[in-house]
Amino acid sequence: DGGITQSPKYLFRKEGQNVTLSCEQNLNHDAMYWYRQDPGQGLRLIYYSQIVNDFQKGDIAEGYSVSREKKESFPLTVTSAQKNPTAFYLCASSPRGANNEKLFFGSGTQLSVL
Amino acid sequence: KQEVTQIPAALSVPEGENLVLNCSFTDSAIYNLQWFRQDPGKGLTSLLLIQSSQREQTSGRLNASLDKSSGRSTLYIAASQPGDSATYLCAGDPRAGGTSYGKLTFGQGTILTVHP
Repeated sequence: DGGITQSPKYLFRKEGQNVTLSCEQNLNHDAMYWYRQDPGQGLRLIYYSQIVNDFQKGDIAEGYSVSREKKESFPLTVTSAQKNPTAFYLCASSPRGANNEKLFFGSGTQLSVL
Repeated sequence: KQEVTQIPAALSVPEGENLVLNCSFTDSAIYNLQWFRQDPGKGLTSLLLIQSSQREQTSGRLNASLDKSSGRSTLYIAASQPGDSATYLCAGDPRAGGTSYGKLTFGQGTILTVHP
């Protein structure tokens, strides 16, 4: 089945530790995104990538890093510089083009601080 | 900067009722408006997308409208069912046109509970 796979579903971070969230898609989409969701709030964009080897900061990129070495993969690293990392992280993708603009989301990763 | 607000924050209705969820946005220069559904602890599922040139979209019991001049969108759910219980989010795409970058601005969501 085509879709977006995020792993792990739950992740715990110790203080000072970097952790990496995985996002893989087999939809052949060019664009991929990372959003952060806090309780009772809407989603906020962390990073996005329109093509391989290119990515742009979103609204809340500080304390996060990404890479896009393959079309299918867009991992997100939460660094120790992110002081409030506890949140639900959602990865999404979309095909490029004016007529195909729906976002497809993964099932999310819940990150908590130990 | 685009801001999106959803009212009400929570809604509880008996099964079978028709209901309306509201979404307002501050910047009328909006390219499209999407409605999503989110089940607890899950990702989002796109329900309807209304392009700026359209006024409404329908899918089954769902109908979404867009009025750019007033900065409002509504999601109408007909004959609600317990399975409709979820959080519904709207999101505006601020692009002026061209390719999609997914830089959506999301509302906080409306938590819908449909009880038997």
